[in-house]
Order: sequence, then structure tokens, then C-alpha cells
Amino acid sequence: DAKTTQPNSMESNEEEPVHLPCNHSTISGTDYIHWYRQLPSQGPEYVIHGLTSNVNNRMASLAIAEDRKSSTLILHRATLRDAAVYYCTRPRGSTLGRLYFGRGTQLTVWP
Amino acid sequence: EADIYQTPRYLVIGTGKKITLECSQTMGHDKMYWYQQDPGMELHLIHYSYGVNSTEKGDLSSESTVSRIRTEHFPLTLESARPSHTSQYLCASSEVGTSGSFGEETQYFGPGTRLLVL
Repeated sequence: DAKTTQPNSMESNEEEPVHLPCNHSTISGTDYIHWYRQLPSQGPEYVIHGLTSNVNNRMASLAIAEDRKSSTLILHRATLRDAAVYYCTRPRGSTLGRLYFGRGTQLTVWP
Repeated sequence: EADIYQTPRYLVIGTGKKITLECSQTMGHDKMYWYQQDPGMELHLIHYSYGVNSTEKGDLSSESTVSRIRTEHFPLTLESARPSHTSQYLCASSEVGTSGSFGEETQYFGPGTRLLVL
């Protein structure tokens, strides 16, 4: 089953780190893990992606477990603008572009 | 920054009307997608296209149709709108990542169209 599992919601205080977990236990060896986030009244936006090793960019870090069955999106210092729904996605089947999005994790950031 | 546009952003329309939701991208991406999303729910792929004159149905059955006559344009049409079509419709396009690998594509989304059918 090409699904991912994420907590429905998480909370953080501003300026604190946030670790958003995702389980993808049935992922294949060649499936990339992508994270997107959706701000209110907007379409999802790309955050980061990776295959096996940890990845960093200006928005976040992605830590991928050695067995690739889970990953964690890390926001190093949460801001109020980071409040969004975060989706961990993986390919659904072998057709290009068919991603499983799930319901994601609603992140609330408190001032 | 992604350049993908959707119009209208909001649409309220009566039952039985024909509507077309517009989606355009200026990135030259071959692959484009339409998703449907209800509040608080997951995104469901309803249509996708790998290029001009290529369209396929997605994972969620939809009464809408799409066309791809130009690379940059991927409109979605409902011939006869019904209240059950009320939802948010998101358009996306994608590019393959630096590895050139099949699974490394990144999707870029438009702002969405919120449709309310009365």
C-alpha cells in the first residue's frame, strides 16, 4: 500500500525547532521522499526531497532513516509563517507524477 | 519560483452550468496535473498529462474533462456543474530533478480554484 502516515497535528513555539515525522514503511529502494507544505488558501509548495542521505536546504532539513521506512522534516527555528499543513509524499505506483499526499500534519506555531 | 497560474480563484455557479477552470504555466514543463481537494482532506489526482495531446485519468473518478493543446495550458471543464462538484481544484506541473531519475520529479502548484456549485 503506497501510503504515508503522519500525525494529524503538531504544535510549536516560535523560534523553537520542529521535527515532523513520517512513516513510509512500504517505500521501494528507488522512491524519493518529497515534502510539501500548504499555507492557508494556497496550493502546496515544495519544501525538500531526498532518497537515502540527509538533505538540507534554505527552508528545512530532511533526515531519512537508514532503513528508509521513515523520515523527519526539521524546521530549525519555527516562525509564524511556517504554520501550514505539511505533506510527506511518495510515488503511488510506477506512473510518473502519481504521488500519495495523505492528509498531512497541521503545524500550529505559537508566538 | 514557480510560475503557474489558475483562474478564477473563486467561482460560485448554479447547477447545470458549463465551467472551465484555467491553468497555465510558463516553465515549459511537459507534465501537468489536476488535483481535487476538500477541506482538511488529502489531494486526489483526477487528471494528468505528459505533454501536448496526452491526457489520462487519475486515481479519483471525475466527471470533468481536460485538454492539452499547448504545452503551457491545461484547462479543466465541467459540462454540467452539480453541487457534488463543490471543491478546491489544484493544478500542478513538474520537472525532473538533477538525477534525471523517474521518481525525483518536483511538482509546482498553482493557487487553486475554489468552486461552489449551488
